[in-house]
Formats: sequence, C-alpha cells, structure tokens
Amino acid sequence: EVQLVESGGGLVQPGGSLRLSCAASGFTFSRFDMHWVRQPTGKGLEWVSAIGISGDPYYAGSVKGRFTISRENAKNSLYLQMNSLRAGDTAVYYCARGRSDGWDLEDWGQGTLVTVSS
Amino acid sequence: DIVMTQSPLSLPVTPGEPASISCRSSQSLLHSNGNNYLDWYLQKPGQSPQLLISLSSNRASGVPDRFSGSGSGTDFTLKISRVEAEDVGVYYCMQTLHVPLTFGGGTKVEIK
Repeated sequence: EVQLVESGGGLVQPGGSLRLSCAASGFTFSRFDMHWVRQPTGKGLEWVSAIGISGDPYYAGSVKGRFTISRENAKNSLYLQMNSLRAGDTAVYYCARGRSDGWDLEDWGQGTLVTVSS
Repeated sequence: DIVMTQSPLSLPVTPGEPASISCRSSQSLLHSNGNNYLDWYLQKPGQSPQLLISLSSNRASGVPDRFSGSGSGTDFTLKISRVEAEDVGVYYCMQTLHVPLTFGGGTKVEIK
C-alpha cells in the first residue's frame, strides 16, 4: 500500500523559512516523479513544484526563487525548503506521487498545514 | 500559464440521476502523440484529493465505471451516470501538458 506522510508544517513569521518532508513507502520511490500541491483553507488546489526521477526540479511561478524541492532516494523522502515565506503561502501542503508514465497525481498524502503570520 | 475554467461552480444533484461537469483550457491539451493531458480529481469532504480520470478518459484504478471522462483539445467533460451519495465533494480538472501544472477552480457537487 502506497503511503505518503508529510511533516514539518507549523506557524512561521513572514520572511521566515520552513522545511517540509514527505516520507514515502509502499513503492519504489526512486522510480517516480514527486510533487507538492497546496490548498489554502476553503480554497482550491494549486500545484507548487515537482521533481523528476533524475532530480530535475520544476516550480510554479509564485514560488520560484523562494522554494526548493529535493529528494533523498536512500531515505524514500521528498522535501520542500520554503524561504521568504509570505501570508499568501498559508495553506495545507500535500505531497503527491506522479503516475509511472505521466504527471497525473496518483497518490496523495494527508497534508501538513503551513501558517505564515506575525 | 494555461488557465483552466470549470462550470458550474456548484451542482446540486439527485441520487440516481446523471451529472456533468465541464472544463475548458485556454490552450489545447492535445499532444502530438494523440493524448489529451487532462485529469479529473475528487476531493471528498475532509479528505485529500484522489485521481479519478487521467488522459481525459482513462479511469484510475478502483474508480467506479459510473464515472467517465471525454473531450479533446480545449473542451472536456466529466460525467457521472448515476450519482451516489458518496460522490459528494469538489471536483477539479487539471492539465499536465505544460509546466506549471494548473487546476480548474473546482465544482462542488452536493446532494439536493
């Protein structure tokens, strides 16, 4: 059974930093693209970032230059380093696994809440 | 960025009756390989989203056959042949052809 467990969310002041983690199990982590998607409370979904099996990163324009996605295949883990955080980054952040031959988001974690506020 | 537009925003449905959701993209999602890079997701209340349909019309594993997807280019439709109570939630379309991936605003399906 595929499991994705996010952690690292919390309250941070504007301009601060936070590092999210996603622990993966139940599949060969190194063979799949991985994604981060966020959802402000009561609002819709926004794709944030993805990382390919070769480590190639991709970002939404709203986070490019501030967020860094990475993966550590030996630990079956995905990360999102978030710097220069703004109030608009407040959301639940989901980790998601891409399909084996595409970027469809086949499995999702339960999410971790990031709140940016003074 | 590709803009995804869904309609309606809200859809009251009667159990046993059909339902349909529309999704339009600002650019064609048809690749030269013949695939349309359009997904449908359902987010049930209090849950994470789940993949329903990929590549416009391919049901994901475990998805009931009352769900079907169709369309090509810029116009897509998700149909539920007979709505069940467990189908309530917010439905999102998403394009996976170009980075950044983009979602539609969502359609909230609720029981009348």
